[in-house]
Formats: sequence, structure tokens, C-alpha cells
Amino acid sequence: GDSVTQMEGPVTLSEEAFLTINCTYTATGYPSLFWYVQYPGEGLQLLLKATKADDKGSNKGFEATYRKETTSFHLEKGSVQVSDSAVYFCALIRADRGSTLGRLYFGRGTQLTVWP
Amino acid sequence: DTAVSQTPKYLVTQMGNDKSIKCEQNLGHDTMYWYKQDSKKFLKIMFSYNNKELIINETVPNRFSPKSPDKAHLNLHINSLELGDSAVYFCASSQLRGGGVETQYFGPGTRLLVL
Repeated sequence: GDSVTQMEGPVTLSEEAFLTINCTYTATGYPSLFWYVQYPGEGLQLLLKATKADDKGSNKGFEATYRKETTSFHLEKGSVQVSDSAVYFCALIRADRGSTLGRLYFGRGTQLTVWP
Repeated sequence: DTAVSQTPKYLVTQMGNDKSIKCEQNLGHDTMYWYKQDSKKFLKIMFSYNNKELIINETVPNRFSPKSPDKAHLNLHINSLELGDSAVYFCASSQLRGGGVETQYFGPGTRLLVL
């Protein structure tokens, strides 16, 4: 079945450090890939997305490239800030006909803490 | 204006009680969802309605019953609450287009604690 695997956290970094959170997926068909972020006590917000192979999603300094050959969608940021402390979720939706439309599959989330 | 809103934000109740959570979206979307986030932050879909029609119904106990009075509202009623129902419940909405490109917008969550 469809699934998303994220690196386990927590991840603890100093401000201005480089961030990578690994995400790989398993899906039949052609999924769209997403990164959502959940700040403490809040709901999920879409951070970025990519809908086809080699697409790069970017937002707020975060980037992720849809790699079909490695079935990956790793999240990166060159210089993290304290305000980036949150839980990050990788997710996929299958895009092909015959799949159950709108079903988002989430990874287990990665807690990021950034220290000043 | 809040795009997807949920009430209540916090809900503390006793085992065996019946409770409801309400969700409203003002984005004009045709599809709404309920997700459950457990204590380890794992998120899993429970239900989805498209134009008031149930299209996703995961393996969820019959005690959970969604109701969609119109496209902008999706409520979740839970009967005979159990300790294991304690979780954060998120509502979401999207405009379903079938290409997998739609973005789901989430509400702030309802934190349910069953004592």
C-alpha cells in the first residue's frame, strides 16, 4: 500500500545550521508530494508541494525536490531559525484515476528544535 | 477570517459520554475531511465527504459518525467515548480535482481528552 517514511526525530540544531529531513515514499501510480508544518499548539500548514518528478517545491527558505528514481522528497533549509521549531510532516496523495481521491498519507512527523 | 475553523478547541469529558465536534470552511471547497492525530503525532484519515457524499470511510469504530449538512460543514459525533479516543482531531478541506494536485487546508484541531 501507499506509505511515507520520514527520518525519526527529534532533530536539534543551532540557529543558522543546515537542515535536512529525509522522506521516502511508496506508492503505485503518480503521487503528489507535500511537506506540512505544525507549530506548537496549532494545526497543519502547507509548507511546500511538488506534483511531478523533478519538480522543486520551495517556501520560506525550505526546498524539496521530487525524485522519482529514489522515491524521495527530502526537505532542506540552508540556515534554520529558532522560529522554524515545529513538527514537519511529509505526505503524499495519489493522483491516478482509480485511487481514492483526496486520501493524504502522512509520515510520522519529525520534531525540529532550533536553539539560539 | 479563518479558512477552516473547528469548535471546540479543547474538549475534556468522561468515558461513556457522547460529544460532537464541528467544522466549518469558508473556502468554497467541495470536499472535507476528518483526521485523527494520536499521542505520537501520527496522522491518519478517518472520513471524507465530497459534496455532502461520503467518499472515504476508514476502519473507524461505529461510535464515530460524521455528518455533513452542507458543503461548508462537516461535524463529527462520537458516542460512548473511550479512553483511547483521546487525541487531536483535525478537520481539513480541499477542492477535489482528481489530479492529486489539490491542497488540503487544515483547521486548528480539537484536543479531546477522555477521563
